[in-house]
Amino acid sequence: AQTVTQSQPEMSVQEAETVTLSCTYDTSENNYYLFWYKQPPSRQMILVIRQEAYKQQNATENRFSVNFQKAAKSFSLKISDSQLGDTAMYFCAFTTMEYGNKLVFGAGTILRVKS
Amino acid sequence: EAGVTQSPTHLIKTRGQQATLRCSPISGHTSVYWYQQALGLGLQFLLWYDEGEERNRGNFPPRFSGRQFPNYSSELNVNALELEDSALYLCASSLGASGGYNEQFFGPGTRLTVL
Repeated sequence: AQTVTQSQPEMSVQEAETVTLSCTYDTSENNYYLFWYKQPPSRQMILVIRQEAYKQQNATENRFSVNFQKAAKSFSLKISDSQLGDTAMYFCAFTTMEYGNKLVFGAGTILRVKS
Repeated sequence: EAGVTQSPTHLIKTRGQQATLRCSPISGHTSVYWYQQALGLGLQFLLWYDEGEERNRGNFPPRFSGRQFPNYSSELNVNALELEDSALYLCASSLGASGGYNEQFFGPGTRLTVL
């Protein structure tokens, strides 16, 4: 079975500092996709960043970047220059074509950015 | 361009009743996905519809069912409601199923409370 594990239930960071959220996954597939989603208190799920497993280069979107370690099945999210608006629940998610596009989510990490 | 919309925002039912949740995808999207976000259980995939057909189903009992209409909007029905069905139900839409993975865009959710 494919699983996604987020070992940090909650994290805090000071405004303007950097924080890293961890995610590990388990799959026997070779071609898959990994995602980080943000869910603020408004409940709206927003895609933060995505990574295709066949791409060795780590994805980057402005202040958000990932450290994708395929052999270790690790996919961490780094948020630089944290802002108060980054306060949210962050979900790591995974899918494969064999999964029929369904997303498998981790349990989530609550991130609180403090001023 | 309008995003994914869901109705109602909140729904309160009693045990044994039926609930109907609705979702309108982004214009041009033919795939609709349903996820359940229950407290303590995280986000679980429920159903995937594309071009009017059910393409994939999560590990939920048959009393969870749905359909997709010719305009690609979708309905999720939950029969014989149980207390543990209380959750946030998220709908997502994407471009069609063929040609690789397509990003899923989420709606704001329907909060179902079963008393």
